[in-house]
Formats: sequence, structure tokens, C-alpha cells
Amino acid sequence: DAGVTQSPTHLIKTRGQQVTLRCSPKSGHDTVSWYQQALGQGPQFIFQYYEEEERQRGNFPDRFSGHQFPNYSSELNVNALLLGDSALYLCASSLGQGWNEKLFFGSGTQLSVL
Amino acid sequence: DQQVKQNSPSLSVQEGRISILNCDYTNSMFDYFLWYKKYPAEGPTFLISISSIKDKNEDGRFTVFLNKSAKHLSLHIVPSQPGDSAVYFCAATQTSYDKVIFGPGTSLSVIP
Repeated sequence: DAGVTQSPTHLIKTRGQQVTLRCSPKSGHDTVSWYQQALGQGPQFIFQYYEEEERQRGNFPDRFSGHQFPNYSSELNVNALLLGDSALYLCASSLGQGWNEKLFFGSGTQLSVL
Repeated sequence: DQQVKQNSPSLSVQEGRISILNCDYTNSMFDYFLWYKKYPAEGPTFLISISSIKDKNEDGRFTVFLNKSAKHLSLHIVPSQPGDSAVYFCAATQTSYDKVIFGPGTSLSVIP
């Protein structure tokens, strides 16, 4: 049973560039959430996708956007990268539209912005 | 605005003793609380949870206590084992709202 997979594992970009991170949810899961974890902090909620639509959004600027595909996989796009965007980006999957206590996380993509 | 706080960045405990990790929250609308554990180079994994209608939930060596009046919860690990060494995140949510809010984490080291 494949868990949550994220790609790439590491990425280096320069300021002003754009980046796309990818996530495949755990088998059978249909909801994907994205989190940003800066060094020394807990994961910060970016947004959640269900049925290919953004359902919830945290306090992140419009430079952060996403997409969910019919196979439930998801992408996180960040435009006009800033140094402060350097962080571990975590994808979490769950099942169903309603509340689900068990988020299953991938190992994350470590993004470094130089 | 940090709604979930873990004021101890790190904690060291001898193997076999009790580990107590603390968490405070500010949003009285939270009705469900969770603990996640994270090893290096891995994503967080769900550990244990508690609903706001309860004050205690136990799962093997792990027990979570909730004090709603103080907006405080704690995770007890008894007995602590070296494999418990990890970062522990406290998290909270309004189940009608879905968004899970995480604290900054406490790094637990269990010394053999």
C-alpha cells in the first residue's frame, strides 16, 4: 500500500523563480492538504483540495496556488519566490470531505531559495 | 498569531521514565486535539487524539490529558523508550472547519 509520495525531495531555486511541487496521496484517499514547515516551526496550513477544488486556505499570499487532478494527485505552485519561502513543504492526504483526524503525511520537499 | 503553543523546544528523559510534553492553545473554538510524531527525513505521523468532550485518552504507553478550562493539554509517555526520540507536534482543529493547526514542536530525547 503506497503511502503519500512527494517529488522532488530537494529543490534549489533563486529569488523570483517559480516552482512546482507534486504529491500523490495515499491509495484510496481523495483529499490533499499542503503545509509549509519553516526551520524550527510546526507545519503551517497552506490549503486543502477536494474534488479538484480548493476548500480551505491558510494565511498565504496568492503567490501560492495549487491544483488537484482527477486521480487525486496534487501540485503546489509558488510564483515569484522569496528567500522566506525556503522551507520543507509537506503534503498530507485524508479521506472524505468531512473531518478526518488522521492526516497521512509525505516526507516532504525541501525547498531552498537563494 | 500562534494559536497552538509548545513552550518547551526540547526535553531529555531517561529511558524507562515518564515523558511529559505540554501544549497550550488560545482558540476556545477548537474541539479536537491531536499529537503527531516526526522523525528526521520523514513526514509527521499521527500518534493520538482527544475530543473536547473528554479529559483523557489512552493508547498503550501514550496518554493525552485535556484541561479545557486552562486551554492546556499534555502527552504522557510511560515508559519512555529510545525509539520515542523524535519531534512531537501538538495540533488542534475545529472539526466543522477541517483546518488542522500545529504547534512548533518539542524535540524529545530519550537517553538509554
